Amino acid sequence: QSLLTQSPSASGTPGQRVTISCSGSSSNIGRNTVNWYQQLPGAAPKLLIYTNNQRPSGVPERFSGSKSGTSASLAISGLQSEDEADYYCAAWDDSLNAHYVFGTGTKVTVL
Amino acid sequence: QVQLQESGPGLVKPSETLSLTCTVSGGSINSYYWSWIRQAPGKGLEWIGYISYGVLTNYNPSLKSRVTMSVDTSKNQFSLNLSSVTAADTAVYYCASTRASGGHYHYYMDVWGRGTTVTVSS
Repeated sequence: QSLLTQSPSASGTPGQRVTISCSGSSSNIGRNTVNWYQQLPGAAPKLLIYTNNQRPSGVPERFSGSKSGTSASLAISGLQSEDEADYYCAAWDDSLNAHYVFGTGTKVTVL
Repeated sequence: QVQLQESGPGLVKPSETLSLTCTVSGGSINSYYWSWIRQAPGKGLEWIGYISYGVLTNYNPSLKSRVTMSVDTSKNQFSLNLSSVTAADTAVYYCASTRASGGHYHYYMDVWGRGTTVTVSS
């Protein structure tokens, strides 16, 4: 089963910019749009970015997404304490056994 | 805004079938796709599959032989059945409304339920 690869952790102090990367392949990120989900401690995941770079209503502008080739990135500008959470990228995978794949997850810590 | 609530037994015995229901409020079940996702303790997210308003289904290849999803339009609910469970199926199970277009070019879960914990144990 395909997986999207993320670095396990990232950290920054309040106000800093933090970037999370997501590496995939030609059958997933290279072919379809990327989404990002935020999971606060003890809570359900929440859609943070969809279609590579679109923010749902209510998501602060400090969250931004981008995609290039078979990789994607999530940037958090002006890091805040409430941003401490797990972040997952995801995309549809068009391989022989098509399915939706999540990234391995990145834990963001606010120092 | 659509809201989702999972329900079902919190404890299932090994080899039995796990059955969960997701009740949709604030929207029609005929309007979207509907997905199930799970998260084992301390682990990441795993997509289980989806069912569309047209009763089209698509399941994770790793679970396909054990998964069945259905929709009850009269109750605005959709359901998950996972057969022959083992301890590896212990997880928090989430239901989510799903947007899909362009085949699966655009595919994402926009609203999630709070999740329900299912433990597989005798």
